[in-house]
Amino acid sequence: GDSVTQMEGPVTLSEEAFLTINCTYTATGYPSLFWYVQYPGEGLQLLLKATKADDKGSNKGFEATYRKETTSFHLEKGSVQVSDSAVYFCALSDQKYGGSQGNLIFGKGTKLSVKP
Amino acid sequence: KAGVTQTPRYLIKTRGQQVTLSCSPISGHRSVSWYQQTPGQGLQFLFEYFSETQRNKGNFPGRFSGRQFSNSRSEMNVSTLELGDSALYLCASSLAGRGVRETQYFGPGTRLLVL
Repeated sequence: GDSVTQMEGPVTLSEEAFLTINCTYTATGYPSLFWYVQYPGEGLQLLLKATKADDKGSNKGFEATYRKETTSFHLEKGSVQVSDSAVYFCALSDQKYGGSQGNLIFGKGTKLSVKP
Repeated sequence: KAGVTQTPRYLIKTRGQQVTLSCSPISGHRSVSWYQQTPGQGLQFLFEYFSETQRNKGNFPGRFSGRQFSNSRSEMNVSTLELGDSALYLCASSLAGRGVRETQYFGPGTRLLVL
């Protein structure tokens, strides 16, 4: 079945460091790919998304490119801030269920801590 | 526009009891999905409702059920609670137009503790 694999955390960085969180996927259809972020005590917030190969999603300085050839959707940010400390989830949504968008499949999450 | 709201935010129950959680989607959204988040299993899809009908279902036992009302609000019910049901239950809504790759918007979750 479909699956998402993320790099294990936690990841600890100093402020202004470069961030990469790796994400690879397995899917039989043509999935959309997402990054969600979860701050302590809160639900999930959509960070960015890409719906087809070579699309680049971007938001708040974060970027990820949908690479079909390597089945990857790595998250990057050039200069992290303390406020970026959170858990990041990579997810896919496959349209094979008759167009339903309800079945997001998530990675295990990567906890990021940014130190001042 | 108000976001997805979930009630209650926190809940403590004992084994064997049942529980009902509520979710109000973003105005105009017709699809509601439920997810369970635990430290061990991560985020797992429970089910999706659209126009009062269950459209998609994850791999959970029959103790987990849900429904959707005509105003798109949704409830999920867990009967005969087990310790392993302790989790954060997240609800997400989307417009759910077919053929459109839509974004799901999540609520803050209901944290359930089973003792």
